[in-house]
Amino acid sequence: DGGITQSPKYLFRKEGQNVTLSCEQNLNHDAMYWYRQDPGQGLRLIYYSQIVNDFQKGDIAEGYSVSREKKESFPLTVTSAQKNPTAFYLCASSTGTGETQYFGPGTRLLVL
Amino acid sequence: KNEVEQSPQNLTAQEGEFITINCSYSVGISALHWLQQHPGGGIVSLFMLSSGKKKHGRLIATINIQEKHSSLHITASHPRDSAVYICAVKAAGNKLTFGGGTRVLVKP
Repeated sequence: DGGITQSPKYLFRKEGQNVTLSCEQNLNHDAMYWYRQDPGQGLRLIYYSQIVNDFQKGDIAEGYSVSREKKESFPLTVTSAQKNPTAFYLCASSTGTGETQYFGPGTRLLVL
Repeated sequence: KNEVEQSPQNLTAQEGEFITINCSYSVGISALHWLQQHPGGGIVSLFMLSSGKKKHGRLIATINIQEKHSSLHITASHPRDSAVYICAVKAAGNKLTFGGGTRVLVKP
């Protein structure tokens, strides 16, 4: 079954702690994306990657970091510098940037 | 002002009714996407269009490039159509810009 998976479904972060959200796809897609969704707001782009070992900042990259060491994987780290991390995080992938994006089920991050 | 505006923000319909959701954008685009977000949070891509009209089952999407406007229609609506519908546009660069979504509730 081809698809895109995210884990965990729920994640709790303590103050000052870094946490990493996982995103894996077996669709052989070159492009991958991380979005943040806050209640009542549209999706906002955090980072995106068009190809392995390359990534670009999106609109709200501050306090986040990513890596793209493998085509299938695009993990997102929420650092302690992100002062308001509570949100729903969605990962997506596509054959190329601007093409139809396939979304993972999302990770809900809560701060304790 | 947001680059992508959707209307209405919320919509309630009775089962069987025809539903229209609107999306207006302020920049030149190369493509427009309609997405559906289920109550659990998962998002599914419904359409990608750059001109004209596309139909899939009871869903129809249209776009008017000159007027910078797109509509998503749901015919013979059903409670399982209850979801948030999101419009997104691809303008310059390689990123999508998203509207705030339209929350649709279809009552039996």
